[in-house]
Amino acid sequence: DAGITQSPRHKVTETGTPVTLRCHQTENHRYMYWYRQDPGHGLRLIHYSYGVKDTDKGEVSDGYSVSRSKTEDFLLTLESATSSQTSVYFCAIRREGDRASGYTFGSGTRLTVV
Amino acid sequence: SQKIEQNSEALNIQEGKTATLTCNYTNYSPAYLQWYRQDPGRGPVFLLLIRENEKEKRKERLKVTFDTTLKQSLFHITASQPADSATYLCALDMGYSTLTFGKGTMLLVSP
Repeated sequence: DAGITQSPRHKVTETGTPVTLRCHQTENHRYMYWYRQDPGHGLRLIHYSYGVKDTDKGEVSDGYSVSRSKTEDFLLTLESATSSQTSVYFCAIRREGDRASGYTFGSGTRLTVV
Repeated sequence: SQKIEQNSEALNIQEGKTATLTCNYTNYSPAYLQWYRQDPGRGPVFLLLIRENEKEKRKERLKVTFDTTLKQSLFHITASQPADSATYLCALDMGYSTLTFGKGTMLLVSP
């Protein structure tokens, strides 16, 4: 989608290894979000950021950490991946002051922990 | 905490008919309610936002209603087409910084 890129698109990793997912935006928005999507659960918020170095926890933050050292990049880290973290991860941005345009989502990262 | 209910069963309709999807929520009414479309393997795409003081919003063949008394939003697609087949998500925006999503309803439009 316009202005937001997630990498990698697919990743297979072993239990216990650290994993970092990257979300990059080109539009300089303050608000960025990480969601995970699982069958039967829908989209659930992991962490979000409202500016450089400003982050907060979402509904399912256990086992995840985030960092935002630059406006354009929001990183999600699984410190020690577990099989329960196998999921599709979506990053999203919100245009501040323009609620009527909703959130813009990236294309997702499919993570498999074996 | 807020709970959102969308019909988990797929909705099957014929091309040309109106599809109506339901989003029910508990507890407090959100300041805004949003609808998204999601195709397989893709991220959700924003469709419409309706405010708590609005009863109805339209965009081309799409119509959303919002009833804070019933705690319900209805999403209508008129003159549906096979290309409308997708999963549709509703999301509650309480006016803070985050959205809470329903699990989505799959719509299948057959020719």
